[in-house]
Amino acid sequence: QSALTQPASVSGSPGQSITISCTGTSSDVGGYNYVSWYQQHPGKAPKLMIYEVSNRPSGVSNRFSGSKSGNTASLTISGLQAEDEADYYCSSYTSSAPWVFGGGTKLTVL
Amino acid sequence: QVQLVESGGGLVKPGGSLRLSCAASGFTFSDYYMSWIRQAPGKGLEWVSYISSSGSTIYYADSVKGRFTISRDNAKNSLYLQMNSLRAEDTAVYYCATGRGWSDWGQGTLVTVSS
Repeated sequence: QSALTQPASVSGSPGQSITISCTGTSSDVGGYNYVSWYQQHPGKAPKLMIYEVSNRPSGVSNRFSGSKSGNTASLTISGLQAEDEADYYCSSYTSSAPWVFGGGTKLTVL
Repeated sequence: QVQLVESGGGLVKPGGSLRLSCAASGFTFSDYYMSWIRQAPGKGLEWVSYISSSGSTIYYADSVKGRFTISRDNAKNSLYLQMNSLRAEDTAVYYCATGRGWSDWGQGTLVTVSS
């Protein structure tokens, strides 16, 4: 059950757009449209931001969007704001585990 | 609204046991699958176990297979995780979660395995 691969950190200035990648295999990200993204602030529980690759739950800002190409999923945050600074995790349904998370990406808003 | 409240965490010695509970409210518990997901201090998220709405389908991560048992009591709107043969590497905050894409999470309960 290998974790999905995410960059350890990304950064951006307020108002800019950033993209966080999540790379897996054809047995997880590439094989199913069950990729989710979570935002986690320090000391808090994770919050679902995107489910099933590109769907936003009610109440999540439309500045957050998700996509997938082959074995790599991506989370894009546009119009970066200070409150977006957090850790972000991807997860995917897999043919074996059956769920696996990415290692997490720390987003810094400069 | 959906509320999930975990309890049962604490300090336990290596080789010991602990039973976590997750009390659910605000939704029809018996209609929803549930999972336990954990996070070691300063580390990322790790999916631990899944149980279907009826309890008939169960999955475990390889790291806990044979040591942890997930169960549920739909009459009591409760989810459980029986953890045996605990190891230092099981130290983590344990969350229960449900919903499409794991949309709803509890606040977590800390399990510390140390002598």
